[in-house]
Parts: sequence; structure tokens; C-alpha cells
Amino acid sequence: DAGITQSPRHKVTETGTPVTLRCHQTENHRYMYWYRQDPGHGLRLIHYSYGVKDTDKGEVSDGYSVSRSKTEDFLLTLESATSSQTSVYFCAISGTSGGSTDTQYFGPGTRLTVL
Amino acid sequence: AQSVTQPDIHITVSEGASLELRCNYSYGATPYLFWYVQSPGQGLQLLLKYFSGDTLVQGIKGFEAEFKRSQSSFNLRKPSVHWSDAAEYFCAVGVAGATNKLIFGTGTLLAVQP
Repeated sequence: DAGITQSPRHKVTETGTPVTLRCHQTENHRYMYWYRQDPGHGLRLIHYSYGVKDTDKGEVSDGYSVSRSKTEDFLLTLESATSSQTSVYFCAISGTSGGSTDTQYFGPGTRLTVL
Repeated sequence: AQSVTQPDIHITVSEGASLELRCNYSYGATPYLFWYVQSPGQGLQLLLKYFSGDTLVQGIKGFEAEFKRSQSSFNLRKPSVHWSDAAEYFCAVGVAGATNKLIFGTGTLLAVQP
């Protein structure tokens, strides 16, 4: 299994509070991704990174920001959490050539509940 | 725009029976196609992938998938299902370019009856 960890694994928070989720990899892969998984929607890309300090938006980026100051860490921040952001969040990495044929490897997920 | 459709939300099969999960994609160029499996409470694991060449692709755990360009399909098959195959299965298409973005289908939840 690829060396990907996510923290926390579970979090309950209140509407309006900031939340930061962390993804940490030990594979030295260049690309990192944040997805959210919701019933009936599959996985949807929130943001991705193609290098340190290089990030871009995915299809559901509103309300989320990301940062990547080191190769191994990719942070997802909900500036002011809303109930619609209750979801399971997955981090993924891919790596070598960066082309569309690279396999993405997924972390174990973080279950976030916003009350 | 690229998209992936998995028409079956839930499928139930008996242990030992054959399985086929459907996946249809919409993509303007040669697609890069993937099947992932997600066991309850777990992350996603790659089963197999297709980039080019032989249209019948073998994967892990006895799964295979066949790419049919004329039907825009990439169906997943297994000749004999085991109880441990109960999981959710996702088909995905890779977006061409240097960022390796994936577009996922909505998933098919497989239940296996004894």
C-alpha cells in the first residue's frame, strides 16, 4: 500500500468553525488530490496540487482552500464549515510521470460531520 | 465534457455466480480507464486500468474488464464471485494532460448472498 495517512480520521465540528484536514505521504509523489465522497455522487475532485506551492481547483472547490508547503503534506481547509460539507474526504497521490496513465493511490479517508 | 455512468446503483449476486458491472464513459479522445474497489470504511484500491493495446485487461482478485470503443464501455467482470467481493466499485476516466485528474462514476454497490 502507498504510504498515505490522513488526519484526523474522524471529526465533528460546528457550523462556522474552521477545519483543516491533513494528508501526509511518504512516497515523494508529485501530485496530490483532495476528493469528497457523497452518496449518489461518487468521488468529486475538490483541489489538486502538481508540486510544492502549485495548486489548482477541481470541480467542487467553493468553500475550500488548500496549501502545500512541502512535498509530503497537502492541507485542506474549510474556512467556515457548513452542513453541506459533511462528507468523507479522501486524499490521493500519483506520481511519476504525471500523465493521465498514472495510478492514483488513496488514503483511508476522513469522516467530517458539521453540525 | 468527460463523464462516467454506472447505471447500476446496487447489484446482488449469489456467491459463486458470475458478475458484470457496467461502465459507460463520454470522452472525446482515447480514454484512460480505471476500476477501483472500496471496502466498507476503507479507501479506494485499484483493480485494473486500461491505457492502450489489448482491450481485455486483467486485474487483481480475479477481475477483468473489456474496453469496447464502439459502445463507449468498460465493463468489469468476474467469473465466480466470493463473499469477500462485497464492496462498492467505481469506474473512472483519466483526463488527458499533465495533471492526471480522474472523473469518477457514482459507484455500484455489490452485495453477495451466501
